[in-house]
Amino acid sequence: QQPVQSPQAVILREGEDAVINCSSSKALYSVHWYRQKHGEAPVFLMILLKGGEQKGHEKISASFNEKKQQSSLYLTASQLSYSGTYFCGTDDGSGTYKYIFGTGTRLKVLA
Amino acid sequence: GAVVSQHPSWVICKSGTSVKIECRSLDFQATTMFWYRQFPKQSLMLMATSNEGSKATYEQGVEKDKFLINHASLTLSTLTVTSAHPEDSSFYICSARGAWQSNYGYTFGSGTRLTVV
Repeated sequence: QQPVQSPQAVILREGEDAVINCSSSKALYSVHWYRQKHGEAPVFLMILLKGGEQKGHEKISASFNEKKQQSSLYLTASQLSYSGTYFCGTDDGSGTYKYIFGTGTRLKVLA
Repeated sequence: GAVVSQHPSWVICKSGTSVKIECRSLDFQATTMFWYRQFPKQSLMLMATSNEGSKATYEQGVEKDKFLINHASLTLSTLTVTSAHPEDSSFYICSARGAWQSNYGYTFGSGTRLTVV
């Protein structure tokens, strides 16, 4: 079952912060975060493996809750280059290593 | 690092013709390859999963006779859209998982934009 992301879309001013959530009805083995620009393939941002894990790189960070059913991506002091569609991705948990994406969040950063 | 090459990047074809898209793992052996389709402003939807040397497993609602998937070797999978129609116009992306990767290691191709006129 496809993870649900919220919000569906968000518009920010440069320098503002944003949080994108990814929720699943069942525990996930891991969660990946991607950013996709229009007409391009998704670009990997980071992976979270353990419940309670938090990690980040520069001004983008993410967390994975203890039950491993929700992950959040934090964009701090957003830049124009952050614009795009963000997806979480995960193994669907069926044991066949089938990889599925969340519903997506469109983010636009304005100058 | 693991690299997946997908060709062509874009293709325009006439309605009724067939189109083949290739997905190659360049520096690793891909035991499993996945094919996704993405319509404008939508998420990537899994179409099928293919394991080397066996038949692909298609997701519900995906016509196996229309979207032919071949995974004949550990480095190549192909998706053939047969008798393409305008509604098949979409962005198609492959991904590959290597035997050496854990269940969370996937590499994506750069995508193919198909336009059927």
